[in-house]
Amino acid sequence: DAGITQSPRHKVTETGTPVTLRCHQTENHRYMYWYRQDPGHGLRLIHYSYGVKDTDKGEVSDGYSVSRSKTEDFLLTLESATSSQTSVYFCAISDLQTGANVLTFGAGSRLTVL
Amino acid sequence: RKEVEQDPGPFNVPEGATVAFNCTYSNSASQSFFWYRQDCRKEPKLLMSVYSSGNEDGRFTAQLNRASQYISLLIRDSKLSDSATYLCVVPAGGTYKYIFGTGTRLKVLA
Repeated sequence: DAGITQSPRHKVTETGTPVTLRCHQTENHRYMYWYRQDPGHGLRLIHYSYGVKDTDKGEVSDGYSVSRSKTEDFLLTLESATSSQTSVYFCAISDLQTGANVLTFGAGSRLTVL
Repeated sequence: RKEVEQDPGPFNVPEGATVAFNCTYSNSASQSFFWYRQDCRKEPKLLMSVYSSGNEDGRFTAQLNRASQYISLLIRDSKLSDSATYLCVVPAGGTYKYIFGTGTRLKVLA
């Protein structure tokens, strides 16, 4: 299995608090993604990165920010969590240049905002 | 029209049955397609890639119909362990993004 880990795996927090989710990969893949998955919506892209310090917004980026200071780490931050951000968050990696254009997912981070 | 559409199901089938799902896509320029399997409360995992007319792996066959813009997944001799949600994934042409269907839920019954 690809080396991709997410932390924390589970978190319960209160509305208005900041939250940071971490994605760490050991595959040296260039592309990293954050998705959220909610019933009835499937997987929706929040932000993605195409290199160190190179990030861009996805379809549901409001309320989220990301940072990528190293190839292996991609952080997702909720500056002030809201109940609508209760979801399961998946990180994924891919590397088009090596032909590994399939997405490989982390195990997910389940976030509950009370 | 959604970029990627799937019948949400559930498809309830007996063990040993053959079942097929379709996934329609709107971007005619798409060149590659993927089927992922997702178990309850787990991450999606790649089941099959489809780059040309089709692909076969054991009991699983994926086919591509470019003229009608859909891909299909056929599962023969269904097992209880095949019960899962099957996601259709289409790369967004010219970008690094991927478009996901909402998934088709399969339940294989004993």
